[in-house]
Amino acid sequence: GAGVSQTPSNKVTEKGKYVELRCDPISGHTALYWYRQSLGQGPEFLIYFQGTGAADDSGLPNDRFFAVRPEGSVSTLKIQRTERGDSAVYLCASSLGINNEQFFGPGTRLTVL
Amino acid sequence: QQQVKQSPQSLIVQKGGISIINCAYENTAFDYFPWYQQFPGKGPALLIAIRPDVSEKKEGRFTISFNKSAKQFSLHIMDSQPGDSATYFCAASMINNAGNMLTFGGGTRLMVKP
Repeated sequence: GAGVSQTPSNKVTEKGKYVELRCDPISGHTALYWYRQSLGQGPEFLIYFQGTGAADDSGLPNDRFFAVRPEGSVSTLKIQRTERGDSAVYLCASSLGINNEQFFGPGTRLTVL
Repeated sequence: QQQVKQSPQSLIVQKGGISIINCAYENTAFDYFPWYQQFPGKGPALLIAIRPDVSEKKEGRFTISFNKSAKQFSLHIMDSQPGDSATYFCAASMINNAGNMLTFGGGTRLMVKP
């Protein structure tokens, strides 16, 4: 079956621009997580959705970052006024429920020039 | 504050040898300890996980050893194969509370030489 998919796979943008990163979770998975992985480091938690609502956004680094999941399935991570320090791989994971295994997508590699 | 510390950063093992990766955590509220394997260009994939009520869990060539009092856990890969060459991450979370958000270690890049 289809796993978690993320688009685009790569995104190059200029400092100050706005970007949107999309995550399509596994069908039926109610929990959805966003993580950020900088080069040579482990993923860091950003935000978690249970259904349509953001249950915990404590990992978002600042108010330039925002994520939505309007219908409880696809999620979009939005970054305003991008900075070079935002360059990283953004990973999405989904799980059947919060007590279940998280399945990760391949990530979107964001490069801010 | 780095809540999960992982060592070594890199590891080279001969084919057939044992690979050992160690992690230590600080938050005693963590109650779920998974290990993930990541290949270049791919997302992390769950390898094996343990809860703190057991001291060891084995699945095939992979074993987790868990020491609750020392707040440490480790991954042992027996009979290491070149196909095991990847980056391994330990993680920890509070699965019964707070949404199960994973806190990852810094990763270990494993190379298994043929």
